[in-house]
Amino acid sequence: DIQMTQSPSFVSASVGGSVTITCRASQDIGTWLAWYQQKPGRAPNLLIYGASSLPIVVPSRFRGSGSGRDFTLTISSLQPEDSATYYCQQPNTFPPTFGGGTKVEIK
Amino acid sequence: QVQLVESGGGVVQPGTSLRLSCVASGFTLKSYDVHWVRQAPGKGLEWVAFISYDGTKKDYGDSTRGRFTISRDISKNTVYLQMNRLRVEDTAVYYCARQNSGNYDAFDEWGQGTMVVVSS
Repeated sequence: DIQMTQSPSFVSASVGGSVTITCRASQDIGTWLAWYQQKPGRAPNLLIYGASSLPIVVPSRFRGSGSGRDFTLTISSLQPEDSATYYCQQPNTFPPTFGGGTKVEIK
Repeated sequence: QVQLVESGGGVVQPGTSLRLSCVASGFTLKSYDVHWVRQAPGKGLEWVAFISYDGTKKDYGDSTRGRFTISRDISKNTVYLQMNRLRVEDTAVYYCARQNSGNYDAFDEWGQGTMVVVSS
């Protein structure tokens, strides 16, 4: 199985600031990488697919980058509603696997 | 409007069975692979099972293979997860999710989840 390792597990930042989350795959996955946002008590929501593409409803302050084994999710101009847990996932090779999650706290 | 709605969760004793349902609307299951993903309380996301768009391929996570069975009824546009020989460690919120090959295989639609508690 492909292991997905996220860091950090927790990050705190101020409104208007930015955070960067990293995700490393145990083997080359090209750009088959998705990011999800999950708020407490809610289902995950697709944030980024193909490592860097945003669904139309996702604000442009979310940016994904990377390929191969190393990927990043950067959230700029942090808003209070960005407080959530973020997961990376490799969806293409079975079994699909998720990172352990990064909790983002907005101060 | 594209939507997935799960149901069937509840509180059951270890060793018993439960069947979850995932009703899709706004799209046809004949066009998309569907997965079940679970989340134990306070934990991360764990992939559980998958059924292909044509129903010919199914796969399971190591912790559920041999106990869980995924199936679907196209006439009802519904995917099922039959869970047998339930264990305490199966306690989780169970989500169904649509996989979209047009979005680099990302899970682009999720249901709201249904809670399963296995406890004596």
